[in-house]
Amino acid sequence: DAKTTQPPSMDCAEGRAANLPCNHSTISGNEYVYWYRQIHSQGPQYIIHGLKNNETNEMASLIITEDRKSSTLILPHATLRDTAVYYCIVRVGETSYDKVIFGPGTSLSVIP
Amino acid sequence: DTEVTQTPKHLVMGMTNKKSLKCEQHMGHRAMYWYKQKAKKPPELMFVYSYEKLSINESVPSRFSPECPNSSLLNLHLHALQPEDSALYLCASSQRRGLAGEGGAKNIQYFGAGTRLSVL
Repeated sequence: DAKTTQPPSMDCAEGRAANLPCNHSTISGNEYVYWYRQIHSQGPQYIIHGLKNNETNEMASLIITEDRKSSTLILPHATLRDTAVYYCIVRVGETSYDKVIFGPGTSLSVIP
Repeated sequence: DTEVTQTPKHLVMGMTNKKSLKCEQHMGHRAMYWYKQKAKKPPELMFVYSYEKLSINESVPSRFSPECPNSSLLNLHLHALQPEDSALYLCASSQRRGLAGEGGAKNIQYFGAGTRLSVL
């Protein structure tokens, strides 16, 4: 079973911030939160990751709650090209021996 | 360069055929993955190779046979597939520990565009 839960779908107006939540209440101390997105019929694309501090890069910001049981991906100014399925994954950062489990994700529709 | 190249992009095969999917990366990554993705579903992990050794097999049927001939190349050999095996097959790679960098960054996966497989 996936270690994360996300709303199945969300809409966002073009130019507004898109805030995508993720619950990971069973996250372990050594597990990172990773976000990927998949635009229709393409391979998933890495967006951002974090352990416990908030993170920002050129694509998005990641806000992780203090208890680390949930996080929010923020796309500050959504465009039509941000329409995609967004996946939140938790996994250990150091090893590839752990199973990588994608949950159902959130289908984000950016509306003109 | 963060590119993972998968070939072919599309493949149609009969149930008695033998075919192979190929995945290549030149980022020096030492972990490589195969995923299967059905329509409107998330990717499902099939296999993980770490330093060219199979580290995870998610109880995949033997008609799927992975191979990692070197650190840059990952193959998936297909034989006697069923129509329900029709799907998008995705390859990914990531860095392994032993490389400098923040721990979480070592497991960022870079995905190829996938091979869309149809089994008739």
